Amino acid sequence: AQSVTQLGSHVSVSEGALVLLRCNYSSSVPPYLFWYVQYPNQGLQLLLKYTSAATLVKGINGFEAEFKKSETSFHLTKPSAHMSDAAEYFCAVANAGKSTFGDGTTLTVKP
Amino acid sequence: GAVVSQHPSWVICKSGTSVKIECRSLDFQATTMFWYRQFPKQSLMLMATSNEGSKATYEQGVEKDKFLINHASLTLSTLTVTSAHPEDSSFYICSARDPRGGAMYEQYFGPGTRLTVT
Repeated sequence: AQSVTQLGSHVSVSEGALVLLRCNYSSSVPPYLFWYVQYPNQGLQLLLKYTSAATLVKGINGFEAEFKKSETSFHLTKPSAHMSDAAEYFCAVANAGKSTFGDGTTLTVKP
Repeated sequence: GAVVSQHPSWVICKSGTSVKIECRSLDFQATTMFWYRQFPKQSLMLMATSNEGSKATYEQGVEKDKFLINHASLTLSTLTVTSAHPEDSSFYICSARDPRGGAMYEQYFGPGTRLTVT
């Protein structure tokens, strides 16, 4: 069985501030982990993925995430938030051909 | 990257009618596609896994007779909501796995279809 917990359904930051979105996972086997972004009334866009290579993964739009096995975490960060980063973010774990998504975190960026 | 399209992007139908949603992989052949349902401000819920040439695998609690899935070709899967009711109103998203990719289990998502049943 696998599951994902995203801590904080809403995160608000000021423009230019650090973005930190938290994700913890549970998986019985080594996981494949993903972060997706969703804008209103759109599908999901892949930000980055962890597939057992480097533990620090760099994605698009300046985002990165670090896989920490000891903490079963895969937190998403961005050094400096931009207004265009305001969206819904989903963490997902994949195994045996199925993906399980977290509940999502709404990121608000204040000017 | 791989592109997945959905049609229509939004649809309004009357209660009791059926609606078909198409999911296409535009530049790759997808042996496996997935159908998700998303309620407002909520996460994606996997409804079923669609496999080309065979019956779809439905998740627990999803009515297979109500949500008919057909994966007739390697680039097309369809979801038909039969006898739709207002509670079926939702955002439906499909995804497809590109077997050519080096990253296993990576899915490419369609833009979604907003269904409103009146």
